[in-house]
Amino acid sequence: DAGVIQSPRHEVTEMGQEVTLRCKPISGHDYLFWYRQTMMRGLELLIYFNNNVPIDDSGMPEDRFSAKMPNASFSTLKIQPSEPRDSAVYFCASSHRDRESKKAFFGQGTRLTVV
Amino acid sequence: QKEVEQDPGPLSVPEGAIVSLNCTYSNSAFQYFMWYRQYSRKGPELLMYTYSSGNKEDGRFTAQVDKSSKYISLFIRDSQPSDSATYLCAMSGLRTGTASKLTFGTGTRLQVTL
Repeated sequence: DAGVIQSPRHEVTEMGQEVTLRCKPISGHDYLFWYRQTMMRGLELLIYFNNNVPIDDSGMPEDRFSAKMPNASFSTLKIQPSEPRDSAVYFCASSHRDRESKKAFFGQGTRLTVV
Repeated sequence: QKEVEQDPGPLSVPEGAIVSLNCTYSNSAFQYFMWYRQYSRKGPELLMYTYSSGNKEDGRFTAQVDKSSKYISLFIRDSQPSDSATYLCAMSGLRTGTASKLTFGTGTRLQVTL
């Protein structure tokens, strides 16, 4: 398996623009997570899905952030409008059900810069 | 206070040294404990995974969990320059719904020098 695939790897955008980050989880995995990583706050869970259904979005910072998972092989994280403080590395991760579901596999991340 | 505390380092050691990395936590519901390794500009990769208290060994790596003290450790024996990375501890609870939700430490940056 190719692992978790994220696109784009890098994104530079102007404040106020819409940004869409994409993720393809590992085939057969039931859980999908979106994390944000900054130097100050480390890795923070934004939202996670189980079988394409959002389970916990309490980490989503504001209404400007939204996430969807239309099918088992694709998810998006959208920021609209973007702000400079959204600059961070965004990671997608997936895991399989049962006790092994704590083993999350991460993508390479999308480095977002909002100027 | 954060649920998981981890010294950010950096920690610099000579090649061949034994490295000790640690995390403390406050949530007694945590039952699953993991260590991830993250190289610069890469995603975290799972290194060690343990359930509840005890030790687990995998090659040069040993993970220890002391639930009574809410303290976990990762030991690296015979450290190599290729071990230079940021090490993140992660934890999750047992209850359905929380079991898959990982809480991470901020990571400790390790540098192994020649």
